[in-house]
Amino acid sequence: DTGVSQDPRHKITKRGQNVTFRCDPISEHNRLYWYRQTLGQGPEFLTYFQNEAQLEKSRLLSDRFSAERPKGSFSTLEIQRTEQGDSAMYLCASSESPEAFFGQGTRLTVV
Amino acid sequence: GESVGLHLPTLSVQEGDNSIINCAYSNSASDYFIWYKQESGKGPQFIIDIRSNMDKRQGQRVTVLLNKTVKHLSLQIAATQPGDSAVYFCAEKPHEKLTFGTGTRLTIIP
Repeated sequence: DTGVSQDPRHKITKRGQNVTFRCDPISEHNRLYWYRQTLGQGPEFLTYFQNEAQLEKSRLLSDRFSAERPKGSFSTLEIQRTEQGDSAMYLCASSESPEAFFGQGTRLTVV
Repeated sequence: GESVGLHLPTLSVQEGDNSIINCAYSNSASDYFIWYKQESGKGPQFIIDIRSNMDKRQGQRVTVLLNKTVKHLSLQIAATQPGDSAVYFCAEKPHEKLTFGTGTRLTIIP
């Protein structure tokens, strides 16, 4: 597998529930990014990691959102107490430099 | 053009013709740019990139032009095919993160 892998591809959850998404980057890529995309818009930056260090977080990333990359390989994005406004495509990208390659995303629907 | 809410700029091109998609970027400090293609329900797919010390770069059927004076980027697709129908995004990279511009929906007419 040579691409960025995201799991699950689709997630439907009830409002108020917690969800967690996983991203497996391209092997040996040291940078990992999370983006959110809503219908008709371009991807919006959420956060990024250099190895295991989280170096930047967007203001979009409220305190209900947390991301980790514990061993500098895969990453998880957790959303607590989901709201309907969290419904979006969550995209992960990895980069060695400077190109960034995206996964297929996780489509979250909060009902 | 500018996108307003959910309305993406659109471009329709006859199959076999050339297409040009334009993008205005915002940060004069950006030194790296990428064009992505995104099909419905999929993640953005890397097409071609260009560094700020270049003004043109060619790939297979695609050419990217960069005009730093007016902060403008364009993607030219030659001899368009039905599979080129998608939304195209430009992205700039002033530091470590990519910032995406307004997408353009390209439709290839058979």
